[in-house]
Amino acid sequence: QVQLQESGPGLVKPSDTLSLTCTVSGGSVNSGYYYWSWIRQPPGKGLEWIGYVYYTGYTDYNPSFKGRVTMSVDSSKNQFSLKLSSATAADTAVYYCVRDYSELYRYFDQWGLGTLVTVSS
Amino acid sequence: DIQMTQSPSSLSASVGDTVTITCRASQFISRYLNWYQQKPGQAPKVLIYDASNSQSGVPSRFSGSGSGTDFTLTISTLQPEDFATYYCQQSHSTPRTFGQGTKVEIK
Repeated sequence: QVQLQESGPGLVKPSDTLSLTCTVSGGSVNSGYYYWSWIRQPPGKGLEWIGYVYYTGYTDYNPSFKGRVTMSVDSSKNQFSLKLSSATAADTAVYYCVRDYSELYRYFDQWGLGTLVTVSS
Repeated sequence: DIQMTQSPSSLSASVGDTVTITCRASQFISRYLNWYQQKPGQAPKVLIYDASNSQSGVPSRFSGSGSGTDFTLTISTLQPEDFATYYCQQSHSTPRTFGQGTKVEIK
């Protein structure tokens, strides 16, 4: 059973870059069946897809993040990562790393536990 | 972006009731519609994918239907562990988008 685990600072200062890493265990980020997504959820609110990265390095980002987001994959460590620049209080949220099954069907089939990132000085 | 609209936003129901949640897409999405359940403090988990396919391990009381722009999630014989928030999500195109959620509460 694949497991995903987010890691990174829980507190980020305004205007700094929010950086998170997701470590995948029990499976490989090199699998061609999956994209690797980041999804966030502000406290008490709904879910927002940030984007995904494929094992080849191909990425697709939500335009609402206006060029602030960068995702990458590190196959040697079986990890993928998120960087969100120019952070503001509006970026305070629980961030989930998620496996995005995208073969015959397309859905988020495995989620990390989530990590709360607070943007505050 | 494809907008997903769920209704109702919240509902109160009793154990044993049958509950129906609807989700409408702002444009045609074929059957690329998934349903997730989220309990407080937990990550969402997929219940239904491709409009009507049940994820492995999901109780048979959860069912989904619909295609095009209109979809439903039905929970038959509501159980205590089903009180949670439910989200629909389209995977027809990116950006992937979610409905605003439906909170199912105990009456």
